Amino acid sequence: VQLVESGGGLVQPGKSLKLSCSASGFTFSSYGMHWIRQAPGKGLDWVAYISSSSGTVYADAVKGRFTISRDNAKNTLYLQLNSLKSEDTAIYYCASNNWGYWGQGVMVTVSS
Amino acid sequence: DVVLTQTPPTLSATIGQSVSISCRSSQSLLHSNGNTYLHWLLQRPGQSPQLLIYLVSRLESGVPNRFSGSGSGTDFTLKISGVEAEDLGVYYCVQGTHAPLTFGSGTKLEIK
Repeated sequence: VQLVESGGGLVQPGKSLKLSCSASGFTFSSYGMHWIRQAPGKGLDWVAYISSSSGTVYADAVKGRFTISRDNAKNTLYLQLNSLKSEDTAIYYCASNNWGYWGQGVMVTVSS
Repeated sequence: DVVLTQTPPTLSATIGQSVSISCRSSQSLLHSNGNTYLHWLLQRPGQSPQLLIYLVSRLESGVPNRFSGSGSGTDFTLKISGVEAEDLGVYYCVQGTHAPLTFGSGTKLEIK
């Protein structure tokens, strides 16, 4: 089982970024998936969830700015981050809805 | 939102010592379907979180049986019976009974 995030980097406030999470070794289409983030030196913070049937839920802090999506044919989870703020700076992890599978995380830094 | 209060924030233990971490919820975590969606994660230094215990007391596959979980309603406990060096890191409880999903603030286990 492997979850591999990509797409992170340094971005200016107000700009956009798209994260990807590529899954292998399990039946991706059968699992709901989460994005979780962790600001530097801080705890875990839930960001968004997408069910196996593509229903979505967002944390209030990102609602209207972030969009979670999935492509089951490509075994890939996405997170579109728009209107980025400095407080969005964090490591972003994808995780399965049973919490058993986690990616290694990808760093997003929002700074001018 | 449900607040999960973890105590103690920091724990120092010797090898072989048994320790307990408390996770108290601001609301009952018993779901109307009869399940209690309270889980325990460990984040070792520099690593992604990993699942230890799910649904209060069920041991994740591959996790040593020195880890155990207990509790109900609003009070939950993770016990490590005989700490080993590899157990150092930050322990988080997470609840999925009530939206939005929330994490405890973490308990850092240090090895003396």
